[in-house]
Amino acid sequence: QKEVEQDPGPLSVPEGAIVSLNCTYSNSAFQYFMWYRQYSRKGPELLMYTYSSGNKEDGRFTAQVDKSSKYISLFIRDSQPSDSATYLCAVSMEYGNKLVFGAGTILRVKS
Amino acid sequence: DGGITQSPKYLFRKEGQNVTLSCEQNLNHDAMYWYRQDPGQGLRLIYYSQIVNDFQKGDIAEGYSVSREKKESFPLTVTSAQKNPTAFYLCASSIAGGPSGELFFGEGSRLTVL
Repeated sequence: QKEVEQDPGPLSVPEGAIVSLNCTYSNSAFQYFMWYRQYSRKGPELLMYTYSSGNKEDGRFTAQVDKSSKYISLFIRDSQPSDSATYLCAVSMEYGNKLVFGAGTILRVKS
Repeated sequence: DGGITQSPKYLFRKEGQNVTLSCEQNLNHDAMYWYRQDPGQGLRLIYYSQIVNDFQKGDIAEGYSVSREKKESFPLTVTSAQKNPTAFYLCASSIAGGPSGELFFGEGSRLTVL
């Protein structure tokens, strides 16, 4: 079993839709939860970062962590074609520790 | 502009040849990392270094080697012992002891073995 499971998609939505991206993880010791966005042929960039459970909002993006279910989500409101990218979830156990990445979900927002 | 520079962007290699991928950063970060990305598998850690002249194996270090002689530089050598080297290689850096997850990535090097 992989430590982090993520549906690879692709997920195709019309412009303006609400997008929900999800990951599950197996180890309850994970405490830090991240979402990275990766455009085609580029390196990933950090999008959202949360510690422990709860929600975090940044503009059109909301990250949600449910540690009881070992489930993390990224919601994108009013999706734009420029949001088309691969979204990678990542988790880690300790402050400054190495990350474990999900496989990434390919998102396509059609105009 | 501060950032991470990887070179070359594209590289072709014949079987049996070693190849070295360059990674340079001017962010003054202590920690540097090499990841490998394959379709459907996400990023897998090859090696990481938290300080000059010290580095640790990641999850898939076999067939790879690194050095960290300068803070700014963390080159990766893909040796002929790596059985399936064709992949997208990403270098990253972070503040040592900084919040987990704040990695800064380069634009990657795509290696193809012919």
